[in-house]
Amino acid sequence: QKEVEQNSGPLSVPEGAIASLNCTYSDRVSQSFFWYRQYSGKSPELIMSIYSNGDKEDGRFTAQLNKASQYVSLLIRDSQPSDSATYLCAVTRGDSWGKLQFGAGTQVVVTP
Amino acid sequence: GAVVSQHPSRVICKSGTSVKIECRSLDFQATTMFWYRQFPKQSLMLMATSNEGSKATYEQGVEKDKFLINHASLTLSTLTVTSAHPEDSSFYICSAPPTGEETQYFGPGTRLLVL
Repeated sequence: QKEVEQNSGPLSVPEGAIASLNCTYSDRVSQSFFWYRQYSGKSPELIMSIYSNGDKEDGRFTAQLNKASQYVSLLIRDSQPSDSATYLCAVTRGDSWGKLQFGAGTQVVVTP
Repeated sequence: GAVVSQHPSRVICKSGTSVKIECRSLDFQATTMFWYRQFPKQSLMLMATSNEGSKATYEQGVEKDKFLINHASLTLSTLTVTSAHPEDSSFYICSAPPTGEETQYFGPGTRLLVL
């Protein structure tokens, strides 16, 4: 069983600080990587996608991918209380187009 | 753009009845849609892949006769939970990538409670 692993948290972050989230995956064939945010009781919403090694920035969010290390991360700068949610790392499965495998998620709590 | 809707948002039913959940892509076409299930405090688990114009494919351990999927058009997929039992109570979420893309957009989910 191919796996996506994340620290479950909770990760407590002071307001205005940087939250750093990590994700490792086991399927070397995975080519596409996604970060979703899920508020309690709601469905996931896409934050970022990343496909090639390096950094990708979008507003306060930066995703980093290192395929050699099978590692993808998400940085949230200037964290706000509204960023308090569970962050899901998802990677495409190598056995079938479009299918995603999700990590268990990291709960982030931003404290005022 | 890339909005996916689901209906109903919440349903309560008696054990043994069937429940139909609709998933619609509102502003794009989706040849493929995905159905997930999420139990409390757990991550999303893919149940099946819905393919327009062909049979759905199911993940290992998911009963295809219990979870009927119909992909009627490029914007609509339905999941029918047949003879629902309390253990089927869960949060059912669909997702759809615009045709040709890998990024999946999720519907708001349907919370099913079977009494």
